Amino acid sequence: GAVVSQHPSRVICKSGTSVKIECRSLDFQATTMFWYRQFPKQSLMLMATSNEGSKATYEQGVEKDKFLINHASLTLSTLTVTSAHPEDSSFYICSAVNNEQFFGPGTRLTVL
Amino acid sequence: GQQLNQSPQSMFIQEGEDVSMNCTSSSIFNTWLWYKQEPGEGPVLLIALYKAGELTSNGRLTAQFGITRKDSFLNISASIPSDVGIYFCAGQNNQGGKLIFGQGTELSVKP
Repeated sequence: GAVVSQHPSRVICKSGTSVKIECRSLDFQATTMFWYRQFPKQSLMLMATSNEGSKATYEQGVEKDKFLINHASLTLSTLTVTSAHPEDSSFYICSAVNNEQFFGPGTRLTVL
Repeated sequence: GQQLNQSPQSMFIQEGEDVSMNCTSSSIFNTWLWYKQEPGEGPVLLIALYKAGELTSNGRLTAQFGITRKDSFLNISASIPSDVGIYFCAGQNNQGGKLIFGQGTELSVKP
């Protein structure tokens, strides 16, 4: 139990385009999900807390208009990277809370 | 904000050796957790510690929650090649709440 999936697993896009990443809790409902970003050889940095039915809470320094989060159901949160640029290339990981945080497998975003 | 210092940054050891890594914090946490991350995957929880002074084992892994609530260590005994990966400590103040991650310890095990 407590499986979290992400889709896509990897995506390559052109600079200026928008990319949507999905995070799903497969066998439990999650009121709260978290989005992290991880650059190569670095730790996971929390970007935002996604709450079902309400606005996401963003960490300091994370642009909410650039990283749009929608948590429309108890099993799905989406992160949209708008007008992506090469510096947005990173590994994006979500987690869903079922007493503890269960992490998805990550999405590798490459912006050309 | 709260910061975690994790050391060492990397370790290169021989199969069968024991490993120790630790994390210290500038402020207290109510929960300490240890994760392992393999390349291209999300982190997987290894051990969770909920009380100051708690010592918990999971197979060859042992972790302790420091008395001051500002530190934790993870030991791996008799390492094997599949122990290779990056180990992260994380601090948390509320169950299901935000995690603050350490910088990670990259472990390499030579057969």
